[in-house]
Amino acid sequence: DAGVTQSPTHLIKTRGQHVTLRCSPISGHKSVSWYQQVLGQGPQFIFQYYEKEERGRGNFPDRFSARQFPNYSSELNVNALLLGDSALYLCASSLVAGTQPQHFGDGTRLSIL
Amino acid sequence: GQQVMQIPQYQHVQEGEDFTTYCNSSTTLSNIQWYKQRPGGHPVFLIQLVKSGEVKKQKRLTFQFGEAKKNSSLHITATQTTDVGTYFCAGPSDSNSGYALNFGKGTSLLVTP
Repeated sequence: DAGVTQSPTHLIKTRGQHVTLRCSPISGHKSVSWYQQVLGQGPQFIFQYYEKEERGRGNFPDRFSARQFPNYSSELNVNALLLGDSALYLCASSLVAGTQPQHFGDGTRLSIL
Repeated sequence: GQQVMQIPQYQHVQEGEDFTTYCNSSTTLSNIQWYKQRPGGHPVFLIQLVKSGEVKKQKRLTFQFGEAKKNSSLHITATQTTDVGTYFCAGPSDSNSGYALNFGKGTSLLVTP
């Protein structure tokens, strides 16, 4: 079975632009979470979605938003990009909502110039 | 808010030596999870501990959850070069932000042959 898939793998943007990152969970998993990982740090929680509803939100500005689709895939949107948004964005899926063990994708490496 | 702290930040050992990383939470945790991230890779779930004083083993890896459920440790016996990577602990957030996992900053392990 396929694991969590994310696209694109790499992305370069400039300040002020917006970006959309995509994630498909493991088949059968209904919950998707997004994390930001800055080099040398642990993943920082951004959002959790389950059954298309937001179930958790981390300490990120409103420039960050997400949604989940009926097929349980998800998008993370970031507006008005800042240099500090440069990071690895990880998507993780789990069977249900909550603080279940997370199955991570390979991530999207976002670089802001 | 709740913090999850790990020490040491880095550890460099000779192959065959033992390794231990420690995780401490500012609040009591309902469970604690451990993940491993290889260089250039994504975090991979290792184990979840739930009960006070719980000890679990996976081959050369031993995981412990403290009696007060505020600290945990991961011990690797006789390290191998395949153990290289960053080890993260993660616990459920106690904030009002819904479901969220707080990750520590990780302990990076380097093993030289």
